[in-house]
Amino acid sequence: EVQLVESGGGLVQPGGSLRLSCVGSGFTFSSYSMNWVRQAPGKGLEWVSYISTGSTTIRYADSVNARFTISRDNAKNSLYLQMNSLRAEDTAVYYCARDATAGTSPYYFDYWGQGTLVTVSS
Amino acid sequence: QLVLTQSPSASASLGTSVKLTCTLSSGHSTHAIAWHQQQPEKGPRYLMKLNSDGSHTKGDGIPDRFSGSSSGSERYLTISSLQSEDEGDFYCQTWGTGIHGVFGGGTKLTVL
Repeated sequence: EVQLVESGGGLVQPGGSLRLSCVGSGFTFSSYSMNWVRQAPGKGLEWVSYISTGSTTIRYADSVNARFTISRDNAKNSLYLQMNSLRAEDTAVYYCARDATAGTSPYYFDYWGQGTLVTVSS
Repeated sequence: QLVLTQSPSASASLGTSVKLTCTLSSGHSTHAIAWHQQQPEKGPRYLMKLNSDGSHTKGDGIPDRFSGSSSGSERYLTISSLQSEDEGDFYCQTWGTGIHGVFGGGTKLTVL
């Protein structure tokens, strides 16, 4: 059974930093591109970032570019999101989501985690 | 610009059917989409990938009650024999050259 489990969320002050993690199991993690998607309270889904299997292709939404850094460690079946210079508008549940392909072109997401809540507030 | 439009809400009675619509922006009528379901307080769940010709590929364990169809720039999700656990939010997603994770605004389904 494919599972994605996020962790690392919490309360952080504006301007602060946080690192999210996502561990994958039940599939060959290194064979799939991965994404972070967030959902602000009461709002819809917003794609945040993408990383290809070998970390050679990385993309960010304009809203987080230059503040967030996505990375992965295939040996640990893990995906990360380093979030710096956090703002109130970054408050959201953050989900990791698996691309339905190993390619570097955009595709749909076929598995999601349960999410981890990040709250940015003083 | 690649944009998906969904009605904010829909409702239908227990045991009946409902058809949700996702509309692709002008010039993108051949794009495939994916449907995702989000039950209250849960993470999203992938339902199916839906092509412009109406063919679709469902996710693991998705019941036959869920089906997809297409017409022009519109992509549909039909849920038959509605159950209480079908209540929640439904999102369509698409993608394009160099474009990741485009989501519709979501449709909140209420089962009466």
